[in-house]
Amino acid sequence: DQQVKQNSPSLSVQEGRISILNCDYTNSMFDYFLWYKKYPAEGPTFLISISSIKDKNEDGRFTVFLNKSAKHLSLHIVPSQPGDSAVYFCAASGRGGTSYGKLTFGQGTILTVHP
Amino acid sequence: EAGVTQFPSHSVIEKGQTVTLRCDPISGHDNLYWYRRVMGKEIKFLLHFVKESKQDESGMPNNRFLAERTGGTYSTLKVQPAELEDSGVYFCASSQDYGRVSGELFFGEGSRLTVL
Repeated sequence: DQQVKQNSPSLSVQEGRISILNCDYTNSMFDYFLWYKKYPAEGPTFLISISSIKDKNEDGRFTVFLNKSAKHLSLHIVPSQPGDSAVYFCAASGRGGTSYGKLTFGQGTILTVHP
Repeated sequence: EAGVTQFPSHSVIEKGQTVTLRCDPISGHDNLYWYRRVMGKEIKFLLHFVKESKQDESGMPNNRFLAERTGGTYSTLKVQPAELEDSGVYFCASSQDYGRVSGELFFGEGSRLTVL
């Protein structure tokens, strides 16, 4: 049973436009959410995170929105750049001091930004 | 500062053989994690070390997998005997804090295992 789901396997966007990547979760015990970016033959790299006490977190071109009632989060990239082309993973963790590193990942969404 | 390094980058073995993967975390990071991605699916948690102690090994698939972290530095993950379904990319990650100062794990590039 998959607790974190990214229902769009891929997304194609024109350079300069907005990219919106979506993620749904089922476990109400999750209280911290992260987005990781992964290039081919590299490990995932942290992009942005949000605590369940917030509904928005912004870092430059990247904004993450959290809707707890809908158990849904999204990552907005504005404006999108060709270098943003990668696989984006949504991840979640539960409460507890030592459990935050135990991440539950979604399947990933391949983002392609066309020049 | 060196990142998380993993060795080998790719290993091809026959079913029934043994493979040992190694991970060197970022220096000073007490927390070390192993994750696995099979067949392009989601990345799944395997286990978590705090220094040399196994904090959580709930994600280990079965007793064919053995992880160690002697001395609290590097870690090894041994698969013995390997089965076809063990093929995938094994990621190691490390972090310093328990708390969510940054909330991030630092991942290595992964070790791709192919079992024939």
